[in-house]
Amino acid sequence: DTGVSQDPRHKITKRGQNVTFRCDPISEHNRLYWYRQTLGQGPEFLTYFQNEAQLEKSRLLSDRFSAERPKGSFSTLEIQRTEQGDSAMYLCASSLGWGQGNGANVLTFGAGSRLTVL
Amino acid sequence: AQTVTQSQPEMSVQEAETVTLSCTYDTSESNYYLFWYKQPPSRQMILVIRQEAYKQQNATENRFSVNFQKAAKSFSLKISDSQLGDTAMYFCAFMKPQGGSEKLVFGKGTKLTVNP
Repeated sequence: DTGVSQDPRHKITKRGQNVTFRCDPISEHNRLYWYRQTLGQGPEFLTYFQNEAQLEKSRLLSDRFSAERPKGSFSTLEIQRTEQGDSAMYLCASSLGWGQGNGANVLTFGAGSRLTVL
Repeated sequence: AQTVTQSQPEMSVQEAETVTLSCTYDTSESNYYLFWYKQPPSRQMILVIRQEAYKQQNATENRFSVNFQKAAKSFSLKISDSQLGDTAMYFCAFMKPQGGSEKLVFGKGTKLTVNP
């Protein structure tokens, strides 16, 4: 297993454009998380899935943001009509859920997708 | 809502010495997990150590150990025999598992620099 993969690693876009990020979790992990991290800050929770079900979405998350995990494997995070304030590192993480072994609830992070909105 | 506070934005230590990073949290829950994650410059976040709140024994992982004080809601990380590769951002994080909102809530981090 190669860990959590994110693509693209870097994305530069113009304000108003749509962007999509992809995350491939560790194959046996049923939980998948999206976080946003700005420079010098801790990661901020966006949303998470158990299998294909989106269990929680941050109230801070604008309706311009949408995430999917259609078959319970990879996930996509789309940002519509990007704004300069969306510039950040978008982190994906995966884990086993509660009661699924010693590693349950331990998140493994990907390298992140850095978004720059001009 | 749970909050995590790291009061030391930056710290430095000489190689081979010991350093302690502080973390406090606020929760009304009795069962939860606490974590320390490390994020080296331009590299991905990795788990350093995990503590389950119902366990009284402090977790240890090689040179890394925690001082978990449940009543005080304090969870500090001690790094012994510091190495240059320990230079990173360190994040303290909280999770309420098993039917709670099972997401990590992070502090703002402490930037640790290990000097040769």
